[in-house]
Parts: sequence; C-alpha cells; structure tokens
Amino acid sequence: DAKTTQPPSMDCAEGRAANLPCNHSTISGNEYVYWYRQIHSQGPQYIIHGLKNNETNEMASLIITEDRKSSTLILPHATLRDTAVYYCIVRVRDDKIIFGKGTRLHILP
Amino acid sequence: NAGVTQTPKFRVLKTGQSMTLLCAQDMNHEYMYWYRQDPGMGLRLIHYSVGEGTTAKGEVPDGYNVSRLKKQNFLLGLESAAPSQTSVYFCASSYFQVVAYNEQFFGPGTRLTVL
Repeated sequence: DAKTTQPPSMDCAEGRAANLPCNHSTISGNEYVYWYRQIHSQGPQYIIHGLKNNETNEMASLIITEDRKSSTLILPHATLRDTAVYYCIVRVRDDKIIFGKGTRLHILP
Repeated sequence: NAGVTQTPKFRVLKTGQSMTLLCAQDMNHEYMYWYRQDPGMGLRLIHYSVGEGTTAKGEVPDGYNVSRLKKQNFLLGLESAAPSQTSVYFCASSYFQVVAYNEQFFGPGTRLTVL
C-alpha cells in the first residue's frame, strides 16, 4: 500500500499562498492523490484530487511532480479560516481511504 | 438536503454498557464508512459498506459491529464498551466508486466517553 509523508505543522501569513507538501514515493500508477482538511472538531472536508496532471478548483490547486512521487497543495490566498489539519491521501484500495496524521496549518494574522 | 447526520452528538457510557451510533445520509450514496479519531491522530477506518446489506472490516474493527439494513443508514454498535473506545466517531458516505473519484462526505461526529 502506498503511504504518504507530510510535515506535522506549517505556518503561513494571512493573504499569502500556503504550499503544503506531500511525499508518496511508493504510489502506484493507477492511484490518485486526494487532499482533505479538517477544521477543528469538524468532519473532514474534501478539497481536491488528481492523478498526474495539475488540478485547480475553487478551493485550491494541486501540483503533482512528473514522477508522481510527491505533490503540493496550494491555497492561493490563505485566510484565518484555512487554519486546519490537511491530509494528503493516496487511494490504496478500491473502496478505502487511509488517513495519516496530516499537516497542521496555522494561518498567522 | 441534510447531507450526513449522526446521532447522538455526545454520549457517556460506563464500561460494559452497549450502545448504537446512527449515521444517516440523504444523498443516495452507495458507500458508507465509520471512522474513529483519537486526540492528535488521523482518522482510522473501523468498518465500511459498499451497499445495502453489505459490510466489511477496516483498519480497527475489533469491539465494533455494523449493519446496513437500509441504504441511507449505517449503524455502529458497541456491545461492551471499554475505555479504549473513548474517541470521536465520524461517519462518511460516497458515491459508487468508478475508477478513482471518491469524494467522501463526512458527518459532524459523535463524541463518546467510556468511563
């Protein structure tokens, strides 16, 4: 099963871009990269997913390296409401998602 | 459209007591999941269901049972609660999975304390 590695915590100034890295060096060719976030005490929220092309939606951008061994989630203009734990997940089986410990992102005013 | 709802929101049990947590979704999702989250940890999958009448074990199934008698409901049971089961429990649901798309929608959580 592919696993992910994320820094335990990061800081970002409000209004700046937040870049959250994730390593997934053992990812298989047909496995997607997903990002979720969990704001304090709430259920996780889906952000974005991708296979090998860069993806963008209204919340964030996902940059996946050409070898697919790592990716970066970009929040273009971070606000205080983006303070949360961000989970990078590689789909390991057809019907399961395995969460790690994620990155705790602090947005500084 | 309420999304995913969980009942109850909070509960305190004594060791050995039993209880059932209810998860309901109104999005006609095929897949439903139960996770637990301990302080400072990510979510761990307890059990899941790929459709009405089906259940399967996740990462940490011991001490729990589940049932999916109706498509919209997924029940998590603790037959004999233990202090180690003190946790926050999240339910989630998702559409039938094609190749990869698997956005899961989560409920607000149930905070369970076992004394």
